[in-house]
Amino acid sequence: NAGVMQNPRHLVRRRGQEARLRCSPMKGHSHVYWYRQLPEEGLKFMVYLQKENIIDESGMPKERFSAEFPKEGPSILRIQQVVRGDSAAYFCASSPRGGEAGELFFGEGSRLTVL
Amino acid sequence: AQSVTQLDSHVSVSEGTPVLLRCNYSSSYSPSLFWYVQHPNKGLQLLLKYTSAATLVKGINGFEAEFKKSETSFHLTKPSAHMSDAAEYFCVVSAAGRRALTFGSGTRLQVQP
Repeated sequence: NAGVMQNPRHLVRRRGQEARLRCSPMKGHSHVYWYRQLPEEGLKFMVYLQKENIIDESGMPKERFSAEFPKEGPSILRIQQVVRGDSAAYFCASSPRGGEAGELFFGEGSRLTVL
Repeated sequence: AQSVTQLDSHVSVSEGTPVLLRCNYSSSYSPSLFWYVQHPNKGLQLLLKYTSAATLVKGINGFEAEFKKSETSFHLTKPSAHMSDAAEYFCVVSAAGRRALTFGSGTRLQVQP
């Protein structure tokens, strides 16, 4: 039973380019969360999605960032016109149910470097 | 509002000696509390969780934590450190009805031979 799969594991972009990070949740999980980890810091919540719905995006920057979780396929975190401050590790987590945020299963992260 | 404070950014112990990683929380609601571990360049793994049952919670790899409401603390302990315990540890709080987890800034545990 595969865990949460994230790709790419490492991504390098130049300022102004777009970054797309993908997350496939664990089998049977329909709830996906994205977190960002800046160097030497804890994880910060960005967005919570269910299939085809954004449930909570209170942690998403207002501009350049978007997320989706289509009916078919992985969840995508998209960052347009990247800047150096976007360099971070982006973690995806999934759970079989929403409501109370119980145990989340995390992927190994996608590490974005903006040159 | 909810928050969590990890009192030590780095802890260094010798192999075979006890581990204590400190965590204090603040929550307007009855919280659920978790400890996650992150090994270098890896995802996070749940060590243990408290969800208003027994106040002493046992987790994986010999770790345990005690929920103390009067002190708003949830410290993580292990009687005897192993080299493989070297990692980053995060204390996490989730309030009832809140979907998102709030992470502490982490404690890096070093284990000396």
